[in-house]
Amino acid sequence: DTGVSQDPRHKITKRGQNVTFRCDPISEHNRLYWYRQTLGQGPEFLTYFQNEAQLEKSRLLSDRFSAERPKGSFSTLEIQRTEQGDSAMYLCASSHGEWAGQETQYFGPGTRLLVL
Amino acid sequence: QKEVEQNSGPLSVPEGAIASLNCTYSDRGSQSFFWYRQYSGKSPELIMFIYSNGDKEDGRFTAQLNKASQYVSLLIRDSQPSDSATYLCAVNPGNQFYFGTGTSLTVIP
Repeated sequence: DTGVSQDPRHKITKRGQNVTFRCDPISEHNRLYWYRQTLGQGPEFLTYFQNEAQLEKSRLLSDRFSAERPKGSFSTLEIQRTEQGDSAMYLCASSHGEWAGQETQYFGPGTRLLVL
Repeated sequence: QKEVEQNSGPLSVPEGAIASLNCTYSDRGSQSFFWYRQYSGKSPELIMFIYSNGDKEDGRFTAQLNKASQYVSLLIRDSQPSDSATYLCAVNPGNQFYFGTGTSLTVIP
């Protein structure tokens, strides 16, 4: 399977705990995006990387959220001190950003987080 | 004003009919436009992308883009029950992707 993969697919945690999600993009894609999606809403941009550089981060992203892409391949998203409002589907997407404005991104299956 | 606006629906069409989904966007600098299909509990799946004004056809799907009016639409011909899903419009003004809230489509057998 050469698509975007995410792990875990589901995570249940207690409020105040830290969680970490992993995303493996399509191998030749240099851009990687993280989104959060809640019921009835479209994906909400969190952050994106070009290779290992984090180029943009949403203003809505609190400092409890951090993302890394250390070698320009897989990425991790960590949420510290989780709150019930963090319950959502966390989506990863990757794209080949060679042509500005004409990149197409593909999504992984998502990680569904439930904070109790 | 949201970057991307969609009618949330629900939109119901009978099997075999044409479903028409619409989207407007606010950033005139937007360069690329996408339609994703999302089944309940699943992640978005890319259906089509369009960069230039006019129509782009792929099988039963046609995307239409009008940059002057800042709207993009998706037509689904010969709608099937398996097309029942939420359709997300996404726009890329060059730095990131903005998604609408999606239009829920139900195709009635």
